[in-house]
Amino acid sequence: KAGVTQTPRYLIKTRGQQVTLSCSPISGHRSVSWYQQTPGQGLQFLFEYFSETQRNKGNFPGRFSGRQFSNSRSEMNVSTLELGDSALYLCASSPRLAGGPEETQYFGPGTRLLVL
Amino acid sequence: GNSVTQMEGPVTLSEEAFLTINCTYTATGYPSLFWYVQYPGEGLQLLLKATKADDKGSNKGFEATYRKETTSFHLEKGSVQVSDSAVYFCALRNTGNQFYFGTGTSLTVIP
Repeated sequence: KAGVTQTPRYLIKTRGQQVTLSCSPISGHRSVSWYQQTPGQGLQFLFEYFSETQRNKGNFPGRFSGRQFSNSRSEMNVSTLELGDSALYLCASSPRLAGGPEETQYFGPGTRLLVL
Repeated sequence: GNSVTQMEGPVTLSEEAFLTINCTYTATGYPSLFWYVQYPGEGLQLLLKATKADDKGSNKGFEATYRKETTSFHLEKGSVQVSDSAVYFCALRNTGNQFYFGTGTSLTVIP
């Protein structure tokens, strides 16, 4: 079974631009979560989507948004990029939203975004 | 609230040394606990997990025991290898199905 895939793997943008990142979950997984990873803050939860609906949200400004499609693929958008948005953006999928205690998340390799 | 605190790195060990990476948590209810590992240039991979008090998760020679009384989930390995060099993340999943991660501990194993 193929793992979580993220595209693109690397991205360079300038301040003020916007960017869209894509995540394809493991086949059959319906929940997709997004995280921002930076050296100073570690992993911070952005949001989680399940059945095309945002179910959980972290403490990020409204410039960060996402969506999920009927095939469970998800996109994350960041508008008006700032230098501090430079980070590794990780996507993780899991079979269900309200899974039992055995549920876990499976991570993709990430998209490394550099904002100049 | 929910949070995970893990020991600061970086940690440097010689091959075959004993490894402990401390992790403590704060959570409401009864969370599940995880250790993830991130190898250079890759995403996070699940290393082991425990879903209730006194459970021991184990994988690839690594172990961690869910200690409710001390709210801890320390990662241990008896004999590390160079290939274990990576960043290790402790995490919890609360009853609301939200994940919280520690800041990560970088481990370098030298031959």
